[in-house]
Amino acid sequence: EAQVTQNPRYLITVTGKKLTVTCSQNMNHEYMSWYRQDPGLGLRQIYYSMNVEVTDKGDVPEGYKVSRKEKRNFPLILESPSPNQTSLYFCASSYGGAGETQYFGPGTRLLVL
Amino acid sequence: GIQVEQSPPDLILQEGANSTLRCNFSDSVNNLQWFHQNPWGQLINLFYIPSGTKQNGRLSATTVATERYSLLYISSSQTTDSGVYFCAVDEGDDKIIFGKGTRLHILP
Repeated sequence: EAQVTQNPRYLITVTGKKLTVTCSQNMNHEYMSWYRQDPGLGLRQIYYSMNVEVTDKGDVPEGYKVSRKEKRNFPLILESPSPNQTSLYFCASSYGGAGETQYFGPGTRLLVL
Repeated sequence: GIQVEQSPPDLILQEGANSTLRCNFSDSVNNLQWFHQNPWGQLINLFYIPSGTKQNGRLSATTVATERYSLLYISSSQTTDSGVYFCAVDEGDDKIIFGKGTRLHILP
């Protein structure tokens, strides 16, 4: 089944404790991206990647890192999480780029205490 | 950067009613997509519609790129249509900008 998977789905952590949220797609998509969703703000793009070893900042990259060592995986890294990073995070992928149909993962709900 | 505005922010309708959701954008875009987020949080692509009109069952969408807006029509609403509807645009620089969404409540 074609899908985008994220792990974990739910995470509670404390300020400053490094964490990684994984994202994987099995559709051989070139474009992958991360979003955060906050009440009243919609979805905001954090980082995106056009292909392996190619990543770029979205609108809200501060406090986040990403890597794209393999085409199928695009992990989101929070080196030192803070409470303002408490949010719902989505990973998405598409075949050709931002202008193609985006397929979203199920979301990861993060609470930073 | 480009601004994306959706209206109305909230909409409450009785089952069976029709609705029109609007998405305005402040500059030219390469592409526009409509998404539905169901009450469980899942995001589903509805339409990929940089211009013109498309229909899928009870849903249809029209984008008038020259006037910088898109409309999503939902006919004969069902309770399963409840959720948040987002439009998202691609400026051409590989970034995607989402609107803040329209929250739709369909009452049985």
